[in-house]
Amino acid sequence: DAGVIQSPRHEVTEMGQEVTLRCKPISGHDYLFWYRQTMMRGLELLIYFNNNVPIDDSGMPEDRFSAKMPNASFSTLKIQPSEPRDSAVYFCASRRDIRGGYTFGSGTRLTVV
Amino acid sequence: GENVEQHPSTLSVQEGDSAVIKCTYSDSASNYFPWYKQELGKRPQLIIDIRSNVGEKKDQRIAVTLNKTAKHFSLHITETQPEDSAVYFCAAGRQLTFGSGTQLTVLP
Repeated sequence: DAGVIQSPRHEVTEMGQEVTLRCKPISGHDYLFWYRQTMMRGLELLIYFNNNVPIDDSGMPEDRFSAKMPNASFSTLKIQPSEPRDSAVYFCASRRDIRGGYTFGSGTRLTVV
Repeated sequence: GENVEQHPSTLSVQEGDSAVIKCTYSDSASNYFPWYKQELGKRPQLIIDIRSNVGEKKDQRIAVTLNKTAKHFSLHITETQPEDSAVYFCAAGRQLTFGSGTQLTVLP
């Protein structure tokens, strides 16, 4: 099992540009989560999906952020337009079911200049 | 929603000593309590977890205890080694809410 796969590993972009982060969960995992990690705010849950359906997006900071899960093996997190305060490490995680632990991807380090 | 408090935020111990990290949670319906270890620049990795029908669980040098009445749980690391140095996170809730993390430094 290759684990949760995220791309890109690093992204540097200019303020105002669109950024798309990608995630492939572990096969058979029904839950997918997007987290953001910063020194100031720690690990914050942005949104999660169950069986490809968004369940709770209350953590999405504002309308500039959107996430999709078109099928069981792929999800995207998009920021448009990006701002310097969006700079963080974004983690995707998946979980087999409601009783299981999370497996995190390697994360995407986003820098907006 | 769930609220998780973790302390201390930093902890330094001498190699071979024990380390204890504590967390409290607010939602009495929570029934799954994992601990994650995150090394610098790496992903959080699950090191041990406990469910609410168990009071204690051990895995070699690592143990977790749970007090559901008081709504707190703790991570215990015995015989600490330099490679234990990392940030440790507790979590609780139906969809996990993470504590703020503890930076553990094991001094050789």
